[in-house]
Amino acid sequence: ILNVEQSPQSLHVQEGDSTNFTCSFPSSNFYALHWYRWETAKSPEALFVMTLNGDEKKKGQISATLNTKEGYSYLYIKGSQPEDSATYLCAFWMDSNYQLIWGAGTKLIIKP
Amino acid sequence: KAGVTQTPRYLIKTRGQQVTLSCSPISGHRSVSWYQQTPGQGLQFLFEYFSETQRNKGNFPGRFSGRQFSNSRSEMNVSTLELGDSALYLCASSPGKDREKLFFGSGTQLSVL
Repeated sequence: ILNVEQSPQSLHVQEGDSTNFTCSFPSSNFYALHWYRWETAKSPEALFVMTLNGDEKKKGQISATLNTKEGYSYLYIKGSQPEDSATYLCAFWMDSNYQLIWGAGTKLIIKP
Repeated sequence: KAGVTQTPRYLIKTRGQQVTLSCSPISGHRSVSWYQQTPGQGLQFLFEYFSETQRNKGNFPGRFSGRQFSNSRSEMNVSTLELGDSALYLCASSPGKDREKLFFGSGTQLSVL
């Protein structure tokens, strides 16, 4: 059974602090790793699509790294703002099929 | 460019009934995938359609079915509803040529009483 694990499950961070969380996925048959942000009452929105080992992506104060050999990706948020409060989901594309396998998400709450 | 449109937004049904949910993808997108979200669970993959063909299917019972039309619009049907089918159902579209990022609709919140 293929599993994508995200940790921690939830995180409370003070406004202005930086934070990071982890996505672990199978290291074999890797094709791509996606990160999505899901704000309350909205739809999930893609942040990054990562395909190469060692990839680093950045969007504003959010960045992500990828290690396909050991099967993990980190998402970093620098100087958290209240609008960063959301659930962050990662999803793993296998090489062999068209099914995205999702983690359960990390719920991030930024305290003013 | 219009986003992914799902209808209806909310639905209340009783056990044993059936329900049909609709998803209109972004213009030009040929892939539509469906997901079930229940509290505390990650997104559970139901199925994915590309050019009217089901390319992949998740581990859901046969009561869950779907189809895609020639204009890429997709419907999902759940027959003989059970209380456990209460969930948020999301659809997502993408061009479908490769494993590109998905664009999600707002979802249909289904409550089974």
